[in-house]
Amino acid sequence: ETGVTQTPRHLVMGMTNKKSLKCEQHLGHNAMYWYKQSAKKPLELMFVYSLEERVENNSVPSRFSPECPNSSHLFLHLHTLQPEDSALYLCASSQDKRGGDTIYFGEGSWLTVV
Amino acid sequence: GENVEQHPSTLSVQEGDSAVIKCTYSDSASNYFPWYKQELGKRPQLIIDIRSNVGEKKDQRIAVTLNKTAKHFSLHITETQPEDSAVYFCAASWGSGSARQLTFGSGTQLTVLP
Repeated sequence: ETGVTQTPRHLVMGMTNKKSLKCEQHLGHNAMYWYKQSAKKPLELMFVYSLEERVENNSVPSRFSPECPNSSHLFLHLHTLQPEDSALYLCASSQDKRGGDTIYFGEGSWLTVV
Repeated sequence: GENVEQHPSTLSVQEGDSAVIKCTYSDSASNYFPWYKQELGKRPQLIIDIRSNVGEKKDQRIAVTLNKTAKHFSLHITETQPEDSAVYFCAASWGSGSARQLTFGSGTQLTVLP
């Protein structure tokens, strides 16, 4: 299944590094999301883009910076992260339409901050 | 904002028995309730969902019930099999014109014992 693909799958970075996570969806959807999944915690919504416009930013620290250049691509730029930011970062997409829709997740990017 | 509580956090059943996972939500405006299954190291995948205009939905061995008055919904898996072992997440969302913003429960680790 290659509907939502994320790269890299694994990333180790130092606290002073700058890196980016990339997500691409091949489903023709118009909404994309970043979620954070930490051990023992619920999935946390970080950012939502609908029609390439950010519609939600759930009080995420500024060291995480999203970018959505078009409806198929979503980036998460990372810099000066903390060890507690180590987690699985999941990208997702959906077709934004009245009445509800299904959110499809990518396989995730495992991030370790050392 | 929405708050979703999920119980139990872990559940072990014998193969062939039924498993029930329960969730409550706080926002009466929520109108869409999906359930996701996440196997170890894999992406969350939608297994069933229900909308607020329906009280029950069934798909083979999986069923979901919704009680809008009490603001709770449940996942029922019958005739469990070892491959049902995974973490299950409930979620609730609102909105009918903007991108879906799911609030997830904390997950239930289901183990089906052979």
